[in-house]
Amino acid sequence: GQQVMQIPQYQHVQEGEDFTTYCNSSTTLSNIQWYKQRPGGHPVFLIQLVKSGEVKKQKRLTFQFGEAKKNSSLHITATQTTDVGTYFCAGFDNYGQNFVFGPGTRLSVLP
Amino acid sequence: GAVVSQHPSWVICKSGTSVKIECRSLDFQATTMFWYRQFPKQSLMLMATSNEGSKATYEQGVEKDKFLINHASLTLSTLTVTSAHPEDSSFYICSAELTRARTDTQYFGPGTRLTVL
Repeated sequence: GQQVMQIPQYQHVQEGEDFTTYCNSSTTLSNIQWYKQRPGGHPVFLIQLVKSGEVKKQKRLTFQFGEAKKNSSLHITATQTTDVGTYFCAGFDNYGQNFVFGPGTRLSVLP
Repeated sequence: GAVVSQHPSWVICKSGTSVKIECRSLDFQATTMFWYRQFPKQSLMLMATSNEGSKATYEQGVEKDKFLINHASLTLSTLTVTSAHPEDSSFYICSAELTRARTDTQYFGPGTRLTVL
């Protein structure tokens, strides 16, 4: 079945450093969504990418969808303590039947 | 790793019927489970928080009499869509919370696609 992996599983950074998490699917995705879950909270939708090679930015966050639509990345520039949380990628397969979450990357930011 | 299953994976029903969706944590006990809804190509929307042995907490705008949630054991929560109508057609996803070393992690089920004719 379709599998979505994320690396790294955990990341500890010093405040001000950059951070990147990578999402890789075993099959082509029709779209990819990114969610952020703060400790004790629920996944909050960040963004959706649909087009091959698409790049979107939200302030310090840059999201990219691979050309083959099988991988994606989230890059945070100059992390802040408010960036702490788990970042999930998720997407539908090309048939729109299966929506699969990645296991998440847990980010810790040290002040 | 922690595994969460949902049953059924997809269901088609006639308008007016009720549909029950099960969410199970297979290898861990989950005091808290969550139910989400997702419309096509949209993001997840939290519907309710299901706590074992107590009443579920519903998000604003979610009808508790329409979406009945029962969390009778530490490994099972059920969502019943009562008197389903075509507008209830959606993708329903549950997650189960695992508390380990003071850290709560949600593990998501594979989802249930409901189509109401």
